[in-house]
Amino acid sequence: KAGVTQTPRYLIKTRGQQVTLSCSPISGHRSVSWYQQTPGQGLQFLFEYFSETQRNKGNFPGRFSGRQFSNSRSEMNVSTLELGDSALYLCASSLTGTGSTDTQYFGPGTRLTVL
Amino acid sequence: AQKITQTQPGMFVQEKEAVTLDCTYDTSDPSYGLFWYKQPSSGEMIFLIYQGSYDQQNATEGRYSLNFQKARKSANLVISASQLGDSAMYFCAMGSWQFYFGTGTSLTVIP
Repeated sequence: KAGVTQTPRYLIKTRGQQVTLSCSPISGHRSVSWYQQTPGQGLQFLFEYFSETQRNKGNFPGRFSGRQFSNSRSEMNVSTLELGDSALYLCASSLTGTGSTDTQYFGPGTRLTVL
Repeated sequence: AQKITQTQPGMFVQEKEAVTLDCTYDTSDPSYGLFWYKQPSSGEMIFLIYQGSYDQQNATEGRYSLNFQKARKSANLVISASQLGDSAMYFCAMGSWQFYFGTGTSLTVIP
């Protein structure tokens, strides 16, 4: 079975631009979660999608948004980029997103640099 | 509030020795899962081991075992026979209605 894939792997943008990151979950997985990882803040939860619906959301500004398609693929969008958005963005998929019993499997991440 | 605490920012271990990475958690949910992930310098988070809150026995996966002490709310990871390739960041996580991650422990295996 193929793992979680994320594209692109690396991205360089300038302040004020917007960016879209893509995540394809493991086949059969319906839950996709997004995380931002920075040296200063560690791993922070952005949002989780299940069956095309946002089910959970972390404490991020509205510039961060996402969506999930009928094939469970997910995209996240960041508008009006700021320098502080430079980070590793990780996508994780799981069967149902039930955190108590359902393992999340991560993709390789997209490393975003904002200049 | 949900919380995961990893108190060891960095650890060193001699090759072939065992090492324990500490993790404590705080939750009022009766049902939760505890997970450990490894993150090499490449960035990808690799799932290592899972323990359910209702599991009576400690989980084991090859050289990894999870020392689960429910009353103390601790879920320490034990790596036996350390290898150079074990050098990485290790994250403890707890899942209930959401996933919560600790701040990680950097493990360095010394030849």
